[in-house]
Amino acid sequence: GAGVSQTPSNKVTEKGKYVELRCDPISGHTALYWYRQSLGQGPEFLIYFQGTGAADDSGLPNDRFFAVRPEGSVSTLKIQRTERGDSAVYLCASSPGGNQPQHFGDGTRLSIL
Amino acid sequence: GQQLNQSPQSMFIQEGEDVSMNCTSSSIFNTWLWYKQDPGEGPVLLIALYKAGELTSNGRLTAQFGITRKDSFLNISASIPSDVGIYFCAGLSNTGTASKLTFGTGTRLQVTL
Repeated sequence: GAGVSQTPSNKVTEKGKYVELRCDPISGHTALYWYRQSLGQGPEFLIYFQGTGAADDSGLPNDRFFAVRPEGSVSTLKIQRTERGDSAVYLCASSPGGNQPQHFGDGTRLSIL
Repeated sequence: GQQLNQSPQSMFIQEGEDVSMNCTSSSIFNTWLWYKQDPGEGPVLLIALYKAGELTSNGRLTAQFGITRKDSFLNISASIPSDVGIYFCAGLSNTGTASKLTFGTGTRLQVTL
């Protein structure tokens, strides 16, 4: 499709496990963003990539969270030693860069039991 | 993290009525965006505003970028049932190469026949 694609759409796992969430941005978009949305809240910024490099990772809550974008297209958000508080919808967005609008995927709903 | 103040938090209106919601911030933004989010989906861009004082329309939607660059409003005219959803404002911060959205707390709109 032409939009931002995120997989899986849902992920349920046990506390302490490792998870990977994938984002496939709109073709040609150089900027890629990860946000986290808790129930009843607006999305909150996690990390922003311009090309392959993380231009701003100030939103990552702690060192259990890490993200990569090795070829400047697909990105993976990795969470180690998951905790129940990590349960949320993880949204990915992409844009052509600069102040161009960000377009969002449908998110991965992560549930930590 | 920081979230912008949106009001009202929720509203019930009748089909055909006009709707108005606004968003305020303690910080200045260079770009304001309005998104709509349906259950289980990612936010969908409605309107983007790039200059202080700018008034932009998209069909039945009209949004304005406040002169102080610290606020924005969204109007929906002649509401229809498919307008139901959560509306988020978002301010875009550009600092050097970094670029991230700060979202509002959301306005939940319900339309009755």
